[in-house]
Amino acid sequence: GIQVEQSPPDLILQEGANSTLRCNFSDSVNNLQWFHQNPWGQLINLFYIPSGTKQNGRLSATTVATERYSLLYISSSQTTDSGVYFCAGARGSQGNLIFGKGTKLSVKP
Amino acid sequence: DAGVTQSPTHLIKTRGQQVTLRCSPISGHKSVSWYQQVLGQGPQFIFQYYEKEERGRGNFPDRFSARQFPNYSSELNVNALLLGDSALYLCASSVTQPFGEAFFGQGTRLTVV
Repeated sequence: GIQVEQSPPDLILQEGANSTLRCNFSDSVNNLQWFHQNPWGQLINLFYIPSGTKQNGRLSATTVATERYSLLYISSSQTTDSGVYFCAGARGSQGNLIFGKGTKLSVKP
Repeated sequence: DAGVTQSPTHLIKTRGQQVTLRCSPISGHKSVSWYQQVLGQGPQFIFQYYEKEERGRGNFPDRFSARQFPNYSSELNVNALLLGDSALYLCASSVTQPFGEAFFGQGTRLTVV
């Protein structure tokens, strides 16, 4: 199966700073999603982005499918952005998502 | 519209017991998948069902089983519970299979003592 590597594993920011999270895949994927896991464990959908660029408010994401990586940009970070960010990809006939280990983001006031 | 709903939210069981977790997908979604997340790790795939048929199975022992009902809701059963089964169990639904966007429920936190 595919391997998903996320970097950095931990990130500490001051409120208002910008950040870039990266996700590398060992093979091409047909589905790629970014999630934010809240303190209660629920995975919140951020982007469904097998390729291209999308933006939603202060968040944007870019997937370069041919290079097998995706980037999540967070601008003007807020304390409510704290939590764990996961990327996940899928390929093959099953389509089940393979998750990375996540990036733990802490935004300090 | 209601999102993916899971029940119960928390559960404490004793080693050796059996447990059933339930999931209702978003209305109109026909695919349901189950994932296990242990502390500090990303979710791991357990099962996927589409149109009431099993379409995929992850690397989990036969103690884990699941099914999907005609209304597309799903149950995950775990027999002979071990301490290592303690985890957050997540259910996801999508409109299609295999590559539709997946939406997750709030999870069931299972503690085995």
